Amino acid sequence: EVQLVESGGGLVQPGRSLRLSCAASGFTFDDYAMHWVRQAPGKGLEWVSGISWNSGSIAYADSVKGRFTISRDNAKNSLYLEMNSLRAEDTALYYCAKDRRFSLGNNDAFDVWGQGTMVTVSS
Amino acid sequence: QSVLTQPPSVSGAPGQRVTISCTGSSSNIGAGYDVNWYQQLPGTAPKLLIFGDNNRPSGVPDRFSGSKSGTSASLAITGLQAEDEADYYCQSYDSSLSGYVFGTGTKVTVL
Repeated sequence: EVQLVESGGGLVQPGRSLRLSCAASGFTFDDYAMHWVRQAPGKGLEWVSGISWNSGSIAYADSVKGRFTISRDNAKNSLYLEMNSLRAEDTALYYCAKDRRFSLGNNDAFDVWGQGTMVTVSS
Repeated sequence: QSVLTQPPSVSGAPGQRVTISCTGSSSNIGAGYDVNWYQQLPGTAPKLLIFGDNNRPSGVPDRFSGSKSGTSASLAITGLQAEDEADYYCQSYDSSLSGYVFGTGTKVTVL
């Protein structure tokens, strides 16, 4: 069964850091690009970051650029998101999503999603 | 603020046909980039419904179909069923933002 399981969320103070993880199973992880997508409570979906199969191509939304870092470890079938200088507006459910393709392009779709891990930024 | 605009809500009786519009611009849909659609049932993760404008992943009923013209795209649901009650999002790529964008989302209610 193709599966993505996120972990690492929690309550964190503004300005602090948090690292999210996503464990993949049921498919050849290093054949596909991966993404993080978030959803604030009661709001819509927002793409956060994406990484190609070999980490050669990485992209970020302007809202997180310079604060968040995406990475992957193909040997461990895992995707990560290092989040620094967290703000209240980063509060959201963070989903890990698999791309249909191996690289980051302009025709990508996200065909497998995890259940998400909640990040709450508050003092 | 999303660059892809959808109506906040649409509704229909069981068996009816409903459509959801997704309006973009020349830097996303109008540039020819693929439009994808996702269904998010209450309390669950999004699910890919349509990819590449009008293709259904395996397992998605043919009651769901997508189309694109100019700077807009549409999702049609025919033979509306109670289980179709969910939020629906369009998604594409935006060259001005150099990233992926989602629509504002549409809540479908089955009357």
